[in-house]
Amino acid sequence: DAGVTQSPTHLIKTRGQQVTLRCSPISGHKSVSWYQQVLGQGPQFIFQYYEKEERGRGNFPDRFSARQFPNYSSELNVNALLLGDSALYLCASSLAPHLVVGPQHFGDGTRLSIL
Amino acid sequence: AQSVSQHNHHVILSEAASLELGCNYSYGGTVNLFWYVQYPGQHLQLLLKYFSGDPLVKGIKGFEAEFIKSKFSFNLRKPSVQWSDTAEYFCAVTDTDKLIFGTGTRLQVFP
Repeated sequence: DAGVTQSPTHLIKTRGQQVTLRCSPISGHKSVSWYQQVLGQGPQFIFQYYEKEERGRGNFPDRFSARQFPNYSSELNVNALLLGDSALYLCASSLAPHLVVGPQHFGDGTRLSIL
Repeated sequence: AQSVSQHNHHVILSEAASLELGCNYSYGGTVNLFWYVQYPGQHLQLLLKYFSGDPLVKGIKGFEAEFIKSKFSFNLRKPSVQWSDTAEYFCAVTDTDKLIFGTGTRLQVFP
């Protein structure tokens, strides 16, 4: 079975630009979460979506937004990119938001570099 | 808000040595605890999880963890490490359905 797939794998942008990252969850998983992993740190929660509704938001500015589509895939958008947005962006899917139902499974991530 | 501390940032061991990685979370109540591993060039993989019941949890690849509620701890152990255990290890706790991760521990195992 396919795992969580993310695209693109790598991306290079300049300050001020906008970026869209994509995620396809494991088949049957209805919840998608996004995390930012800066080098040398653990992943930090950005968003969680379930059944196309935002279920949770981390401590990130409004430049970060996301959505979930009817097929449960998701996009993360970041506007007005800053150097500090350089990171590995991880997508995780689970059956439901409540992790007692099933754990989160992570994709390989999108490596975003801001010049 | 919930937080997670991993005090060992970098651990270097020889093969066959025993491993214990520390993990502490900030406050009590009902918690769900996880250990994830990230092998070089690979995605985060779940090693083990604790929701309730027996505080000694067994995971994949010979790893286990013990939940000690009084100490707010969930330490990861393995009696005998292998070179293939070289990876970064993350402890995580749930906070209203989202995962809060620690900063990770880099484990290097030498033959």
